[in-house]
Amino acid sequence: SSELTQPPSVSVSPGQTARITCSGDSLPKKYAYWYQQKSGQAPVLVIYEDSKRPSGIPERISGSSSGTLATLTISGAQVEDEADYYCYSTDRNDNDRRIFGGGTKLIVL
Amino acid sequence: EVQLVQSGAEVKKPGESLKISCKSSGYTFTNYWIGWVRQMPGKGLEWMGVIYPDDSETRYSPSFQGQVAISADKSITTAYLQWGSLKASDTAMYYCARQSPRVGSEFDFWGQGTLVTVSS
Repeated sequence: SSELTQPPSVSVSPGQTARITCSGDSLPKKYAYWYQQKSGQAPVLVIYEDSKRPSGIPERISGSSSGTLATLTISGAQVEDEADYYCYSTDRNDNDRRIFGGGTKLIVL
Repeated sequence: EVQLVQSGAEVKKPGESLKISCKSSGYTFTNYWIGWVRQMPGKGLEWMGVIYPDDSETRYSPSFQGQVAISADKSITTAYLQWGSLKASDTAMYYCARQSPRVGSEFDFWGQGTLVTVSS
């Protein structure tokens, strides 16, 4: 089965650019998705199909993917962006199974 | 407006059975896969499995196959997650979510979560 690997935490100051990475052997052939989960809340989809934003997601949040690495970028991070972020994709060997990365805590202070 | 409303928090003893629910509205229930995600205390998200309510076809993560059962009642647009014999390690928040029709089948709408606590 595949795995998605994320750093446990990323810290930035307000206004800086935050980059959260997701590494996985399925990513060259499968799309990456990103979820934001604020404390005590259900996850929210912020990026789909590597780089597309659902309606209502601010333009400062963007995504990219190259080879085995997907990246979520938050330009001009704000205190309200502090949350856990999870990448999500399809298992390389099982098209019916989906997997989450371990999650990254974004700290903005 | 798409909404998924989950049943309330549960406190159970080891060995007891449990069935939690997820009531869907605002879309055609039988046209979308719906799934369940576990989040253990202080931990990350885990994809458990999904069901297609129109014909009840199910797909499970190997980690949860045989440990839980996912079902759906299309007459009342409700999906279920069921345990036959709970363990303390089943203590977690459980989310239901609808899969989008896009190629990656990501979860696009989520329920509010059901907290399950298993303790003697």
